[in-house]
Amino acid sequence: DARVTQTPRDKVTEMGQEVTMRCQPILGHNTVFWYRQTMMQGLELLAYFRNRAPLDDSGMPKDRFSAEMPDATLATLKIQPSEPRDSAVYFCASGHGPEKDTGELFFGEGSRLTVL
Amino acid sequence: AQKITQTQPGMFVQEKEAVTLDCTYDTSDPSYGLFWYKQPSSGEMIFLIYQGSYDQQNATEGRYSLNFQKARKSANLVISASQLGDSAMYFCAMRQFTGNQFYFGTGTSLTVIP
Repeated sequence: DARVTQTPRDKVTEMGQEVTMRCQPILGHNTVFWYRQTMMQGLELLAYFRNRAPLDDSGMPKDRFSAEMPDATLATLKIQPSEPRDSAVYFCASGHGPEKDTGELFFGEGSRLTVL
Repeated sequence: AQKITQTQPGMFVQEKEAVTLDCTYDTSDPSYGLFWYKQPSSGEMIFLIYQGSYDQQNATEGRYSLNFQKARKSANLVISASQLGDSAMYFCAMRQFTGNQFYFGTGTSLTVIP
């Protein structure tokens, strides 16, 4: 049963520390999205990639966040330095481009980040 | 501008009754897809149903149906015969095929009452 895999599932860190979240998209999917979910803001799009190329990262605070896809099986989201306001659940989702099937996104289980 | 609007922060429904969750969207792209996702308290995001902008028929998946009114730009989710396990957050989403962007609404919290 193919699924999107995210690590870590839970991370507690102190303000100022670097945090790296990893995502393994479903094999064959060519689009990857990173979302952040908080009670106040709901689901916010941080970045998305198509065929490993970043297409939109306008939702990401550029001074501290970075997202990359070093290869087709790995997407990373890095926060450096982390701040308490970064505390949230970070979701990775993958899918095909909209030209194939329904184009729905398949979500990972999320990485819960707590910055103290 | 908000692309997806869900105006019901919380809804209650009696078990076995039907419930409609509202969703309106905003796009000038002629090609788009509309989605509903369920997020139970465990946190995972579960895809429920899809409607393409060119589909003539309303989508149905088991107890879920999507009431698609293109002229009104609405894509309401109808859950028939509600079950206790339907209690969750429900998100409406739109994918614009130009630019491949994916937008989510703020969600509706559904509680099914025994």
